Amino acid sequence: KQEVTQIPAALSVPEGENLVLNCSFTDSAIYNLQWFRQDPGKGLTSLLLIQSSQREQTSGRLNASLDKSSGRSTLYIAASQPGDSATYLCAVFGANSKLTFGKGITLSVRP
Amino acid sequence: SAVISQKPSRDICQRGTSLTIQCQVDSQVTMMFWYRQQPGQSLTLIATANQGSEATYESGFVIDKFPISRPNLTFSTLTVSNMSPEDSSIYLCSVADRVNQPQHFGDGTRLSIL
Repeated sequence: KQEVTQIPAALSVPEGENLVLNCSFTDSAIYNLQWFRQDPGKGLTSLLLIQSSQREQTSGRLNASLDKSSGRSTLYIAASQPGDSATYLCAVFGANSKLTFGKGITLSVRP
Repeated sequence: SAVISQKPSRDICQRGTSLTIQCQVDSQVTMMFWYRQQPGQSLTLIATANQGSEATYESGFVIDKFPISRPNLTFSTLTVSNMSPEDSSIYLCSVADRVNQPQHFGDGTRLSIL
């Protein structure tokens, strides 16, 4: 059974800092990995999707990497801003054709 | 990406009642899913809504408790039946064009049962 882990559960950083959010998964037989953002009381916004054949994807200040063999992904946020404060969720799409989510990392960027 | 509208956005319900949540997409999509997010927990897949046939439920979820309809490629409903306080959660609809494509989510329905 696929398990997705995101540690730590919460993170607080000063504005302007570059930061890395980690995600690990137990079963490397995945089709893709997706990073989402969730604001309080809201649904999920898709940030980046990495196919299993890819190593990384970039969108603006965000860069996501995937090391399928070791079961790890990172989301790099450059020059963090208070508007980046949200919960970031990692999810893997596996051979069971389902998305398995981590519990998320709640990020707070202090002005 | 598709625009997904969920209604209602939130509700407070009495124990033993039922509530139907609607998910409307602005374009035809192949795949529609329903998830539950309990307080402090991650998202859990309830079922895959199949157009024109019965939904495919995950372990721990049954049709009598969570009946789902999908009459066409742009609309689905999830009913939470005979609600108890344990059903207090956010319920989210998501869509995808194909298996390897990103899933996109609605804003969710925040449900509280008294």
